[in-house]
Amino acid sequence: GNSVTQMEGPVTLSEEAFLTINCTYTATGYPSLFWYVQYPGEGLQLLLKATKADDKGSNKGFEATYRKETTSFHLEKGSVQVSDSAVYFCALIPSDSWGKLQFGAGTQVVVTP
Amino acid sequence: GAVVSQHPSRVICKSGTSVKIECRSLDFQATTMFWYRQFPKQSLMLMATSNEGSKATYEQGVEKDKFLINHASLTLSTLTVTSAHPEDSSFYICSALEGPESTDTQYFGPGTRLTVL
Repeated sequence: GNSVTQMEGPVTLSEEAFLTINCTYTATGYPSLFWYVQYPGEGLQLLLKATKADDKGSNKGFEATYRKETTSFHLEKGSVQVSDSAVYFCALIPSDSWGKLQFGAGTQVVVTP
Repeated sequence: GAVVSQHPSRVICKSGTSVKIECRSLDFQATTMFWYRQFPKQSLMLMATSNEGSKATYEQGVEKDKFLINHASLTLSTLTVTSAHPEDSSFYICSALEGPESTDTQYFGPGTRLTVL
């Protein structure tokens, strides 16, 4: 079946540090890949997405590249801010499953001043 | 960005009663909405896909007679938990698909915390 595995948190960083959250997936065919973010007290928001191999999604300084060969979609940001503290979810939509997001467990990120 | 609301945000009910949760897309029309369930410190699990004007499709293991979904208009989907029991206590979240494509942005509601006593 399809699944998403992401690194466990919490991840604690100092402001301006480099952030990486690993995400790997299992799926048949070519799924679309997503990162969602949930800020404290708010609903999930789409952060970025990539719909085919080698695509790079980017938004708000975050980037992730769809790597088919390693079935990965790692999230990176070069210099985090306190306002980036949130829970980050990696997700996929299988190619044979219209619109149905499957989420990883989520990774809590805490950025300290 | 687009906004999706849920009502109520919290509900406490007695075992055996039914609870209705509303999901509204406030500034766009959504042919398709999704309902998820989230357990504490766990990820979201898709329960069902709600399509305007047709029956919902449920994921494996989700009882359709227990979780009734009605998508009566392009801006409103409702989830009714019938004869609720304590094991139905959870965080229920809806999302609305903004466009016609599978990978169009899904906008999520803030969630509804259901506690069944």
